[in-house]
Amino acid sequence: GENVEQHPSTLSVQEGDSAVIKCTYSDSASNYFPWYKQELGKGPQLIIDIRSNVGEKKDQRIAVTLNKTAKHFSLHITETQPEDSAVYFCAASIGTGTASKLTFGTGTRLQVTL
Amino acid sequence: DADVTQTPRNRITKTGKRIMLECSQTKGHDRMYWYRQDPGLGLRLIYYSFDVKDINKGEISDGYSVSRQAQAKFSLSLESAIPNQTALYFCATSDPGGGGGNEQYFGPGTRLTVT
Repeated sequence: GENVEQHPSTLSVQEGDSAVIKCTYSDSASNYFPWYKQELGKGPQLIIDIRSNVGEKKDQRIAVTLNKTAKHFSLHITETQPEDSAVYFCAASIGTGTASKLTFGTGTRLQVTL
Repeated sequence: DADVTQTPRNRITKTGKRIMLECSQTKGHDRMYWYRQDPGLGLRLIYYSFDVKDINKGEISDGYSVSRQAQAKFSLSLESAIPNQTALYFCATSDPGGGGGNEQYFGPGTRLTVT
């Protein structure tokens, strides 16, 4: 089955700096790559996703890049703010039919310091 | 009101007890999932259901069972709880319609402690 590795496990940045979280996946058939943010005491919430026919996607201060050849994708957060502090999970999925299940990375705890 | 609700939010139980965690959703989604979250291990899929008559095992189903009572309700049971089932449990829903993909909507979680 699919295996998703995520690095780093913890990341501390100063407010205003950029943060980058990286993930690799094992199954070349994976074609959907979401990123989830989990705040303390809450369930994960989708913040951005990318499909395999796209190399990069941006939404305000966050962006995701995908390298299908290398089987890795990354989350970029620019101009970090204290409210960006949370645990971030990457995930990979194959298709939208009966094979459509997400495999998650192990998470990155991001702390934005003042 | 929240779209995906889980009850109870916190539960402490003893080894060997049977326990049920419940999930309800108002999103009208056919697909529902149960995950377990442990520190450093991320979210691991226990069971999933693509409609009321469809139940599938995930990667860590041993020791768990589920029931899909209706489109909106999906329950997770631990028949005989053991301490290593102490974890945070999440229910999620998804609807693959429209443009495809598999965005999942998570409930707030149930923190289970087995002593």
